[in-house]
Amino acid sequence: QVQVVESGGGLVKPGGSLRLSCAASGFTFSDYFMSWIRQAPGKGLEWVSHISSFDSTEYYSDSVEGRFTISRDNAKNTLYLQMNSLRAEDTAVYYCARTIKTYYFDHWGQGALVTVSS
Amino acid sequence: EIVMTQSPATLSVSPRERVTLSCRASQSISNDLAWYQQKPGQAPRLLIYDAFARAAGVPARFSGSGSGTEFTLTISSLQSEDFAIYYCQQYNNWPPRRTFGQGTKVEIK
Repeated sequence: QVQVVESGGGLVKPGGSLRLSCAASGFTFSDYFMSWIRQAPGKGLEWVSHISSFDSTEYYSDSVEGRFTISRDNAKNTLYLQMNSLRAEDTAVYYCARTIKTYYFDHWGQGALVTVSS
Repeated sequence: EIVMTQSPATLSVSPRERVTLSCRASQSISNDLAWYQQKPGQAPRLLIYDAFARAAGVPARFSGSGSGTEFTLTISSLQSEDFAIYYCQQYNNWPPRRTFGQGTKVEIK
């Protein structure tokens, strides 16, 4: 069955960096767009970034553009999110999701908690 | 940016009641709308895409309707496992910066 599993979350100081990973299985990873979506504590969902399946074109929300970088390794069936210059407002659970084109998110991981605090 | 507005914020209902949740887009999005269900401590689950198509494994009591700027998610007879937060999400714009509504919490009356 389709499965995506995030890892790499943790506590980081403001201005610091962290890299999230998302291991995919149960489907042909290279055929699908992939995305990161986040949810601050007690808040709603916020789309962060997409990456295309075929040429790894990247798309970002205004709130993270220039600080975060999405990438993928199709040989390893793994999605990444490199997060730099982290701020307190980046504190959230980060979900990896299989994405239908750039449209909607049909399978989600359980999330990785990122806490930015001094 | 396309702003998605859901109403009401909270809905108190009894089991077996019919429930209607609303989602409004700040501009026309055709039928490029998805609905998700999120239970406490869990990841969201896709329920509906293309405004009315049910995702795999979603019970028939969930149905979506609408187009343009006004959309509805209906649960025909609420079950105990349906108490959750429901989010709508649009995918009509380019560049593809997707936006969610703020959610509607369906709670036990």
